[in-house]
Amino acid sequence: DAKTTQPPSMDCAEGRAANLPCNHSTISGNEYVYWYRQIHSQGPQYIIHGLKNNETNEMASLIITEDRKSSTLILPHATLRDTAVYYCIVRSYNNAGNMLTFGGGTRLMVKP
Amino acid sequence: SQTIHQWPATLVQPVGSPLSLECTVEGTSNPNLYWYRQAAGRGLQLLFYSVGIGQISSEVPQNLSASRPQDRQFILSSKKLLLSDSGFYLCASRRDTNEQFFGPGTRLTVL
Repeated sequence: DAKTTQPPSMDCAEGRAANLPCNHSTISGNEYVYWYRQIHSQGPQYIIHGLKNNETNEMASLIITEDRKSSTLILPHATLRDTAVYYCIVRSYNNAGNMLTFGGGTRLMVKP
Repeated sequence: SQTIHQWPATLVQPVGSPLSLECTVEGTSNPNLYWYRQAAGRGLQLLFYSVGIGQISSEVPQNLSASRPQDRQFILSSKKLLLSDSGFYLCASRRDTNEQFFGPGTRLTVL
């Protein structure tokens, strides 16, 4: 699976959009981009995933560049409860073990 | 949706003692199951995964072992714990969808 690079930490004001970048320059054609988040001392929570097209769900939007070498997770109106570590992961859908390789993530701090 | 149960929630064990952490899954059948470890302030590391009863794959050489005696039961074990085994252990399950569902975790401290 391709490796990802994320900034170690970011701050965001409550109510504003949080834009979390991820670089995955070695991504291959069949690899999806996944985002999970982990609130302190809890298990990771799935947020969203995509292959080529931008995706949106009730939690967030995922913007993937045309060359797929980077992506941005957008939390449109960040709340204090969105404070967490956000992990960007790329993996192959056909990987036999369907494993997720978590990097260091971005620690998002939402401030009032 | 799937529900993942893990116990115990916290555990303090002396070096050299045995370990058994249990994970059970509800709401699905024949899932892929995973054990991850998270050291303090670091990302998750995949330890083991299982695609079926009795089928275990190890991702990293270590002091731990895993077993899957039943379809929805996944056990993480050690015969003799090391200080470096301390961490937050997470069990995850995946079936049909692209998501992995994670359990609440077990925080292990080895003294």
